[in-house]
Amino acid sequence: QSALTQPASVSGSPGQSITISCTGTSSDVGGYNYVSWYQQHPGKAPKLMIYEVSNRPSGVSNRFSGSKSGNTASLTISGLQAEDEADYYCSSYTSSSTYVVFGGGTKLTVL
Amino acid sequence: QVQLVESGGGLVKPGGSLRLSCAASGFTFSDYYMSWIRQAPGKGLEWVSYISSSGSTIYYADSVKGRFTISRDNAKNSLYLQMNSLRAEDTAVYYCARVVGHDLDYWGQGTLVTVSS
Repeated sequence: QSALTQPASVSGSPGQSITISCTGTSSDVGGYNYVSWYQQHPGKAPKLMIYEVSNRPSGVSNRFSGSKSGNTASLTISGLQAEDEADYYCSSYTSSSTYVVFGGGTKLTVL
Repeated sequence: QVQLVESGGGLVKPGGSLRLSCAASGFTFSDYYMSWIRQAPGKGLEWVSYISSSGSTIYYADSVKGRFTISRDNAKNSLYLQMNSLRAEDTAVYYCARVVGHDLDYWGQGTLVTVSS
């Protein structure tokens, strides 16, 4: 069982927006602004999409945005495109000895 | 450009050992913290270990503590993961990644470790 809870799957049609949630506790998501989101296509390494809750690395489309409320962080993808179909993972710094925890991952299907 | 290339994976029997390497290029390796993350077949990501730029600060996931040892050689631009007392549940693709803040901004392509008799 992962430390952070994500929905197993979400789907949307091209052009639509979707949101993926990531729920933790006050020891991780809720306690720090160190939530990241990673995109992983099949057979590929993960790619950093969002860092520190809502910041995009250089080169990441502005269709990707992040936010946080309490113990739940969210990734929103607007204007869905076929290439967005992938697995998405959240992660957070944690005050426990583990240091970093991941969510279980969410499979995004673009219909 | 930043490149991370893992090597050393393979098939090992339960109880055996393996040493993974990660060769870094395209950035000043000694300036960055580094991390190992693994992904069991068909499963999600699991953070394994983290080492500071000098090697003085190290963290491990509880699942590998006492069995795995992370190290680095800044002169060789290399990161290592010594894995002992391997178990079937350690079977996974192992990625090395560069740490910036609390984020993993560049990842290698991964190396597969299979623990099976």
